[in-house]
Amino acid sequence: GENVEQHPSTLSVQEGDSAVIKCTYSDSASNYFPWYKQELGKRPQLIIDIRSNVGEKKDQRIAVTLNKTAKHFSLHITETQPEDSAVYFCAALRYGGFQKLVFGTGTRLLVSP
Amino acid sequence: GAGVSQSPSNKVTEKGKDVELRCDPISGHTALYWYRQSLGQGLEFLIYFQGNSAPDKSGLPSDRFSAERTGGSVSTLTIQRTQQEDSAVYLCASSLVVRQAGDTQYFGPGTRLTVL
Repeated sequence: GENVEQHPSTLSVQEGDSAVIKCTYSDSASNYFPWYKQELGKRPQLIIDIRSNVGEKKDQRIAVTLNKTAKHFSLHITETQPEDSAVYFCAALRYGGFQKLVFGTGTRLLVSP
Repeated sequence: GAGVSQSPSNKVTEKGKDVELRCDPISGHTALYWYRQSLGQGLEFLIYFQGNSAPDKSGLPSDRFSAERTGGSVSTLTIQRTQQEDSAVYLCASSLVVRQAGDTQYFGPGTRLTVL
């Protein structure tokens, strides 16, 4: 089955710096890779996703890159702000089979003013 | 429109009692998922419904856990003879399932279960 590893587990940056979170996956047939942000005590919310037919996707300060050959994908946050502080989860899914998202273990991002 | 809703938001029970957790997906979403999140941990897949059928029950931790979905809408997760290790936040998500490669899963607020 699919296995997703996520690094780092914690990340501290100064406001305005960039943050990068990396994930690797094991199933080469996985073709959908979402990123969720979970603030303390709240539900996970999708912030960006990428499908296997593209290598990069951007949405304002957030971008995701996908390297299918190496089976890894990354979340990039530029010009970080204190409100970016949260736990970020990556996930992978192989459509066509069971619709089961396999999540990484999460990265706690702390942005200090 | 309304998002995914779950009830109760909090549930405290005694060890050995049965509990039922409810999920109301977004209207029209055919797929429904249950996840478990232990304190400070990631999301653990439990079960997936497509319509009223559950093609993937691989994540259910034991036979004390069961789930059903009726009318292609509301789902109930039942935990029998609860144990302290069942304490966690149980999250439900739903998705539309029309794309060829993945559909956004929208999460509910979760039910925090505490087993004393």
